[in-house]
Amino acid sequence: GENVEQHPSTLSVQEGDSAVIKCTYSDSASNYFPWYKQELGKGPQLIIDIRSNVGEKKDQRIAVTLNKTAKHFSLHITETQPEDSAVYFCAASDGTSYGKLTFGQGTILTVHP
Amino acid sequence: KAGVTQTPRYLIKTRGQQVTLSCSPISGHRSVSWYQQTPGQGLQFLFEYFSETQRNKGNFPGRFSGRQFSNSRSEMNVSTLELGDSALYLCASSLPSGGLNNEQFFGPGTRLTVL
Repeated sequence: GENVEQHPSTLSVQEGDSAVIKCTYSDSASNYFPWYKQELGKGPQLIIDIRSNVGEKKDQRIAVTLNKTAKHFSLHITETQPEDSAVYFCAASDGTSYGKLTFGQGTILTVHP
Repeated sequence: KAGVTQTPRYLIKTRGQQVTLSCSPISGHRSVSWYQQTPGQGLQFLFEYFSETQRNKGNFPGRFSGRQFSNSRSEMNVSTLELGDSALYLCASSLPSGGLNNEQFFGPGTRLTVL
């Protein structure tokens, strides 16, 4: 089955800096890659996603890139703010398995003011 | 539009008991997935329902079961609770097409503690 590795496990940045979180996946059939932000006491919130027919997608300060050949994808957050502090999860779906996302282990992002 | 709701938000049970958790998807969504979240194992897929049918199941023992009703609301049940079942149980609903790779929107979860 699919396996998703996420790095780093913790990331500390100063406000205004950029943050990058990287994930690799094992199943070349995977074709959908969402990113979630989870704040304390809340469920994961979908912040951006990318499909395998696209190499990059951007939404304001957040961007995701996908390299299908290398089987890795990354989340980029620019101009970080303290409210960006949360746990971020990447996930992958193989397109043949209804409703199943395979998640990375998560990255705790701390943005210091 | 209201988001995914889950009840109850917190539960405390003892070993050997059984528990039922409820999930109401976003209005118009017909697919519901369940996940277990623990510090050690992270987020793991339990099962998915669409139009009252279980279409997919993760690698969990048969003590974990679920169902979906005609209004798309879903319940999951865990029987003969074990200490290791303590976790945050998350429900996610998907766009109404019921196809593959639709965006999943999560509820706040039910925090289950087994003593």
